[in-house]
Amino acid sequence: SQKIEQNSEALNIQEGKTATLTCNYTNYSPAYLQWYRQDPGRGPVFLLLIRENEKEKRKERLKVTFDTTLKQSLFHITASQPADSATYLCALDEQAAGNKLTFGGGTRVLVKP
Amino acid sequence: EADIYQTPRYLVIGTGKKITLECSQTMGHDKMYWYQQDPGMELHLIHYSYGVNSTEKGDLSSESTVSRIRTEHFPLTLESARPSHTSQYLCASSEYPGTSGHNEQFFGPGTRLTVL
Repeated sequence: SQKIEQNSEALNIQEGKTATLTCNYTNYSPAYLQWYRQDPGRGPVFLLLIRENEKEKRKERLKVTFDTTLKQSLFHITASQPADSATYLCALDEQAAGNKLTFGGGTRVLVKP
Repeated sequence: EADIYQTPRYLVIGTGKKITLECSQTMGHDKMYWYQQDPGMELHLIHYSYGVNSTEKGDLSSESTVSRIRTEHFPLTLESARPSHTSQYLCASSEYPGTSGHNEQFFGPGTRLTVL
């Protein structure tokens, strides 16, 4: 089955800087890759989806890239704000398995004022 | 804001008790899911449903059972709770194609279960 690796160490970043998170997977390339935000004690919230034939996707201050050769997605938060502090999860869409998602362990981001 | 509800939010219960975690969504989604998540760890899919009277086990083995008698309701039941069941349980729903174009999931707030 698919294995997903996200940096388990928290990312501490100064307000206004760009945070960059990585998501690496080990097996076949998924048709879709999704990113979610999770705040403590809450359920994840969907942020962005990128397809295997897309190199880059943007939404406001968020940018996602998808490199199927490297089996990697990068998630960028530009002009970071303290309100961006949360855990960010990447999830692979196993389309062949009926669109179930496999989640990574997430990376915690802490934006300091 | 996604309209998916879970009750109770917190539950502390003794070993051997039967419990039911409730999950309801008002979005009319066909697909619903239950995940288990320990603190700081990844979500593991334990059950899913593609519609009424459809239920399947997920990737993580679980002693819980689910039912889907109505589209909006997807309860999870533990017949005899044990300390090993202590965890956070998250319910989610989705529908193709969704606003993203492919099946993003909407999550409830979760139920934090503690079995003593």
